[in-house]
Amino acid sequence: DAGVIQSPRHEVTEMGQEVTLRCKPISGHNSLFWYRQTMMRGLELLIYFNNNVPIDDSGMPEDRFSAKMPNASFSTLKIQPSEPRDSAVYFCASSFQREGGPQFFGPGTRLTVL
Amino acid sequence: GESVGLHLPTLSVQEGDNSIINCAYSNSASDYFIWYKQESGKGPQFIIDIRSNMDKRQGQRVTVLLNKTVKHLSLQIAATQPGDSAVYFCAESIQGAQKLVFGQGTRLTINP
Repeated sequence: DAGVIQSPRHEVTEMGQEVTLRCKPISGHNSLFWYRQTMMRGLELLIYFNNNVPIDDSGMPEDRFSAKMPNASFSTLKIQPSEPRDSAVYFCASSFQREGGPQFFGPGTRLTVL
Repeated sequence: GESVGLHLPTLSVQEGDNSIINCAYSNSASDYFIWYKQESGKGPQFIIDIRSNMDKRQGQRVTVLLNKTVKHLSLQIAATQPGDSAVYFCAESIQGAQKLVFGQGTRLTINP
């Protein structure tokens, strides 16, 4: 069975450029989560969706970050303009919407902003 | 990579020994707990979970123990193998919420 799919796996860009990260959740899952992982801050939840609707975006660092989920099988996380401090590994995870349940993570996108 | 950052607790065990990884949580309202394994260059992988109405749950070679009195969670790995080398994260979910709050992780290294 296919797990969560993320693309690209690696992204190197220059400061000021727009970056778009993509995620395809596990088929049948109706909750989707975007995380960021750095050595300094560990694993941080940025935003999550239920049934394609953003529920909690309190973890989004600032207005340069935006996320969309146009349908049940696709989500994007966009950074515009990117900055060096955005360098991190970005993970997407999906789950069945319910209180307390496992989230299944994708392989991540390693973003480097020069 | 970065040279300054979180200093992960490290546990070193001999191959074949049992490993016990501990996690303390602070929110007494948490009612769901989960362990993840993260290997280098990969995403966190679900291992086992437990709800607050249980104090023990077993999987294949793994056991999770929950002590709500002292807000403590542990992951026991039996007969540790080289493939168990990874960073292990505990996470908790507060009653009524979907969000998982992750701990900082413990690095498990296996000595041959």
